[in-house]
Amino acid sequence: AQSVAQPEDQVNVAEGNPLTVKCTYSVSGNPYLFWYVQYPNRGLQFLLKYITGDNLVKGSYGFEAEFNKSQTSFHLKKPSALVSDSALYFCAVRDLGGSQGNLIFGKGTKLSVKP
Amino acid sequence: GAVVSQHPSWVICKSGTSVKIECRSLDFQATTMFWYRQFPKQSLMLMATSNEGSKATYEQGVEKDKFLINHASLTLSTLTVTSAHPEDSSFYICSASSGTYNEQFFGPGTRLTVL
Repeated sequence: AQSVAQPEDQVNVAEGNPLTVKCTYSVSGNPYLFWYVQYPNRGLQFLLKYITGDNLVKGSYGFEAEFNKSQTSFHLKKPSALVSDSALYFCAVRDLGGSQGNLIFGKGTKLSVKP
Repeated sequence: GAVVSQHPSWVICKSGTSVKIECRSLDFQATTMFWYRQFPKQSLMLMATSNEGSKATYEQGVEKDKFLINHASLTLSTLTVTSAHPEDSSFYICSASSGTYNEQFFGPGTRLTVL
């Protein structure tokens, strides 16, 4: 069965510093991986995805993620954090075992960027 | 990106009443819509998947007679929480896709509070 793990409940970063939000995955075949961001009382906003190709994926708002097959990781990164990046971040994998293409989400990581 | 709306954004109801939540894809035809439930500080849990014109597929443990899903058109899916109870209080989020393995676009969510 497919699954994703986000080992950190919360990540604290000072504004201007680089940030990393970790995600590891477990799939039986080639992974389809996603990152979403959620602001309070809002739905999810798509940041980026990895399907195939270049291991470094660039997404919205200056975020990027690196697919590492040997470490089964897909960590989200940003070179310089902004206070406005503070939100809840979800890593997700497409459920290839299902027939509908639904997503399986990690438990989320709260990112707090302090000025 | 594509836009998905939900209505209402929040609702408060008395125990025993039924509540209908609408999910609309505003600028694309959504052949597949997904309904998620999110408890405070937790991840999204898939409740059911609906395809236009057919019955919804419910995840294990989700009562289909309590959470009625209708996907009557390519732009509208509804979730009706029947005979709501306080334990049904949650944040309900829908997503829509133009194909089984196409990108999912998320609605802003509906906060349901049952008194």
